[in-house]
Amino acid sequence: GAGVSQSPSNKVTEKGKDVELRCDPISGHTALYWYRQSLGQGLEFLIYFQGNSAPDKSGLPSDRFSAERTGGSVSTLTIQRTQQEDSAVYLCASSLEGTGSGYTFGSGTRLTVV
Amino acid sequence: GENVEQHPSTLSVQEGDSAVIKCTYSDSASNYFPWYKQELGKRPQLIIDIRSNVGEKKDQRIAVTLNKTAKHFSLHITETQPEDSAVYFCAASINTGRRALTFGSGTRLQVQP
Repeated sequence: GAGVSQSPSNKVTEKGKDVELRCDPISGHTALYWYRQSLGQGLEFLIYFQGNSAPDKSGLPSDRFSAERTGGSVSTLTIQRTQQEDSAVYLCASSLEGTGSGYTFGSGTRLTVV
Repeated sequence: GENVEQHPSTLSVQEGDSAVIKCTYSDSASNYFPWYKQELGKRPQLIIDIRSNVGEKKDQRIAVTLNKTAKHFSLHITETQPEDSAVYFCAASINTGRRALTFGSGTRLQVQP
């Protein structure tokens, strides 16, 4: 596609429920990244996929968080048993080289846990 | 891992003045340093980047400088305009291998008309 697409744009969920966030990167981009941005804060790295290599999961804050990328394209970030502190904007980005350069961000999913 | 510190956290300037935002990084192996602009409610967008083989890069009213010895880099905006008002993020990464960008905490720039 023309840009990085994320869905849903907004998600309100009850504490303890599971949620799935989707990211559709730019066609041909081999690298995909997930970041979290809490209100008024910076961008916290979560996970990074590059081609067929094992993902870098070093930023995932707990084992309630997981992500997968199917067929080297679409990625899903899953948060199990959501907590109020999970409320944030979840941003996805993709790039061509997988070296950190040339990120294009999606518009994000605003997650609110009530 | 990499740690990026950014300051100031907020900056207010008069229209037409210059604005400078500074970042320091910890990993001497980092060699790619982009800057992103995020307007309220929108996605971050790349505005300029620099690699460690150069010391300065300019694009119209925006410039970035890099001091590898001191491990710091700065964003300079000249002749500021109200539409420059946004949050600016610096970032750093190793441009080889499998590393994602590490971002600074952001600077909220307000240009007063």
